[in-house]
Order: sequence, then C-alpha cells, then structure tokens
Amino acid sequence: DAGVTQTPRHEVAEKGQTIILKCEPVSGHNDLFWYRQTKIQGLELLSYFRSKSLMEDGGAFKDRFKAEMLNSSFSTLKIQPTEPKDSAVYLCASSFRTVSSYEQYFGPGTRLTVL
Amino acid sequence: QQKVQQSPESLTVSEGAMASLNCTFSDGTSDNFRWYRQHSGKGLEMLVSIFSDGEKEEGRFTAHLNRASLHVSLHIREPQPSDSAVYLCAVSSPSSNTDKVVFGTGTRLQVSP
Repeated sequence: DAGVTQTPRHEVAEKGQTIILKCEPVSGHNDLFWYRQTKIQGLELLSYFRSKSLMEDGGAFKDRFKAEMLNSSFSTLKIQPTEPKDSAVYLCASSFRTVSSYEQYFGPGTRLTVL
Repeated sequence: QQKVQQSPESLTVSEGAMASLNCTFSDGTSDNFRWYRQHSGKGLEMLVSIFSDGEKEEGRFTAHLNRASLHVSLHIREPQPSDSAVYLCAVSSPSSNTDKVVFGTGTRLQVSP
C-alpha cells in the first residue's frame, strides 16, 4: 500500500491564478480530509468527506476553496483565485475508524507559494 | 467549540532521558485521542491512538489518557536524535456520523546526543 499520495509536491502560482491540488487516499479508507498548515495557525480543516459525501466545508474557506471527491480513490482541492495569504502546506489525510480502532495516514503535503 | 492545547511549546531532552508531552482538551465527550509526529518538511505520522482511560503503548511511545482531567499525555522512552520533530495532539468528537478532529498547535521536541 502506497499510503496517501499528493501531487504536486510544490506549486508556485501568481496571485489570481487557479490551482488544483490532487490527493489519492489509502484504499479502503472512507474518510478524507484536506488541511492547511501554517506556522501561525497550525492545522486548519478545509474539507472533510465521508464515503465521498462532503461533511464539512471549512466555513471560512468556502469562498475560494472547493474540494471534490468524484470517486473513492481521488480528491481535488481547487483554490480560485489564489492570494498570497494562501501560501502554506496543504495536507490530505485519509482514515478508517471503528468503535475501538483508528487508522489514519497523511500525505506528504503540497507546498504552495503564491506570489 | 473544542479547544486543544499542548505544553510545553518546546522541549529539549538528552538522548535516553524520558520525554513527556502534554495535551488538554475542553470537550468531555471526546472519544479518540491521537499523537502525531512531524519531521521538518514532512507529513504527519500517527504514533498512537487511544480511546479509553489508561495507557496505550506503541513501541517507545505511550499515551496516557485521563478523561476526567481532560488530559492526554505522550511519553517517549529512550528518545533518540531522530525523534526530534514537532509532536501534535489530535482530539476527535464524533457527532452523528461525522468525525470532528481538532489539532493542538504542537510541541517541538529536540533530542540532544
């Protein structure tokens, strides 16, 4: 099992551009999360899917951030239009939970720089 | 709204000495607590997940949960320089059929040889 895959690993965008980040979760995991990580704010939840259904859309991130999960093995996060304050590491995670166990893996992240 | 706080912000220990990290949470209905490690420039690695009061050991990492005190700790036995990283606490509060997770801001651990 390859774990969670994220592409690209690095992205540089001009202000106002549209960028799409990609994530492939662990096979069999039914929860998928997108987070943004910065030194100041730490980890912030952007979107959360359970069995491909959007459960949380991150509130404050709704206007320019859109996550989609068209099938159980692939998710995208679109940022449109990008702003310099969006510069951060974007992490995707997938998990599988029972009443007594929890398995979660994070991808390596995409480092986004918006100029 | 769930608040998760970690202490200390940073910690330096000598190789081989026990390292202890703390995490407090505000929602007493939380039912899953996890510790992650993140090396610089890397993704998060889950170290241990605990559901019930008491201890859960995974190798050199032991989580200790006291739900009544709203406290979960992580103890690292015989830490090595390769354990130098940021350690994050995550707390889950299942609500209906979702899994709300809140992360702490982390403790930066430095293990000196």
